[in-house]
Amino acid sequence: KNEVEQSPQNLTAQEGEFITINCSYSVGISALHWLQQHPGGGIVSLFMLSSGKKKHGRLIATINIQEKHSSLHITASHPRDSAVYICASRGVIQGAQKLVFGQGTRLTINP
Amino acid sequence: DTEVTQTPKHLVMGMTNKKSLKCEQHMGHRAMYWYKQKAKKPPELMFVYSYEKLSINESVPSRFSPECPNSSLLNLHLHALQPEDSALYLCASSQDLLGRRGTGELFFGEGSRLTVL
Repeated sequence: KNEVEQSPQNLTAQEGEFITINCSYSVGISALHWLQQHPGGGIVSLFMLSSGKKKHGRLIATINIQEKHSSLHITASHPRDSAVYICASRGVIQGAQKLVFGQGTRLTINP
Repeated sequence: DTEVTQTPKHLVMGMTNKKSLKCEQHMGHRAMYWYKQKAKKPPELMFVYSYEKLSINESVPSRFSPECPNSSLLNLHLHALQPEDSALYLCASSQDLLGRRGTGELFFGEGSRLTVL
């Protein structure tokens, strides 16, 4: 059974700081999703990764398949980045339809 | 149009009421999902539809009844709910079932926040 763990659970930083959120999973996966959820709001898909690295604006996501680990980085953080960030793994073949979610990282960026 | 639209945004209902949540997408996606999310918890999968047919039911109580009348629309019919069913209900869609060749992103709606009194 795949388990997904995120760290840290909570993160508070000052505007402008470089942010890293980590995600580890226990079994082989076909892809890993990074999601963003603002308080009381819907979920926005940030990245879907199966290997390497992706960049979108100030956000960078990396994945190391051998180490079963992914990171989400935010450069030049801003208060509007304050949200819960969730990683979710997608299994292989039969397990692919169900995402296994981490518990989320609550990020607060202070001005 | 890359949106998944959910209505209503908020719903308050009594335990004897019958109500429905609606989800719509016009991206031509053939897989649609219902998730339930309690406060400060990750989403939990409830149902998956593929090509308008129910593909996965995660042992959801029968007081929740999904319906996919066409490829753009997904409903969740609610009847005789319990207060513990109060949650944010999220709809999502993807091009095809996750794991099939060519599928990629999941697109989520803003959710319907349900309160059962």
